[in-house]
Amino acid sequence: LAKTTQPISMDSYEGQEVNITCSHNNIATNDYITWYQQFPSQGPRFIIQGYKTKVTNEVASLFIPADRKSSTLSLPRVSLSDTAVYYCLVKGNYQLIWGAGTKLIIKP
Amino acid sequence: EAGVVQSPRYKIIEKKQPVAFWCNPISGHNTLYWYRQNLGQGPELLIRYENEEAVDDSQLPKDRFSAERLKGVDSTLKIQPAELGDSAVYLCASSRPAAGLIGNEQFFGPGTRLTVL
Repeated sequence: LAKTTQPISMDSYEGQEVNITCSHNNIATNDYITWYQQFPSQGPRFIIQGYKTKVTNEVASLFIPADRKSSTLSLPRVSLSDTAVYYCLVKGNYQLIWGAGTKLIIKP
Repeated sequence: EAGVVQSPRYKIIEKKQPVAFWCNPISGHNTLYWYRQNLGQGPELLIRYENEEAVDDSQLPKDRFSAERLKGVDSTLKIQPAELGDSAVYLCASSRPAAGLIGNEQFFGPGTRLTVL
């Protein structure tokens, strides 16, 4: 059974790049990794998803090393509005494993 | 496109009372998920439907929780009787069918905040 581990919280400043790493040691061959963002009183919102190497979209990049035992969400040039909880999610055929979330606080 | 709709947004009940939550997924999304999220924790999957079929209900406390998805569209999650420990946010999400290894992005509703007194 895959399990995910992420830092409980992180602080950064506006304009900085933020990297949040999630460990998923027991990820299965066909599992892919997804990251979600959640603001208070809202449901999680999809950020990015990947299976291996690097994926980039308009808001973030996702780095997955060859062994796939971890993944790193990279948020370029964060702003105050990026203050939220970030979850990594590992999904196999019939298992959905959410991390406990990383509370990211962006300071001015 | 319209998002996932959930109702009610808030519900306060006394313990031992029944409660029901309703979810209307995004049109065309055949996969529907019910999650429970406790304060400060990640979502915990309760049940996942593929059309009308519950394909994963391993984490659903079946002694008091039940769910249905008639006609493969709307879904209802019920708790009877509610206990103090059921206080949480209940989230519904939906997604399109997955294509190979490409994951299916989940679209979440705003959730129902349940308080059991």
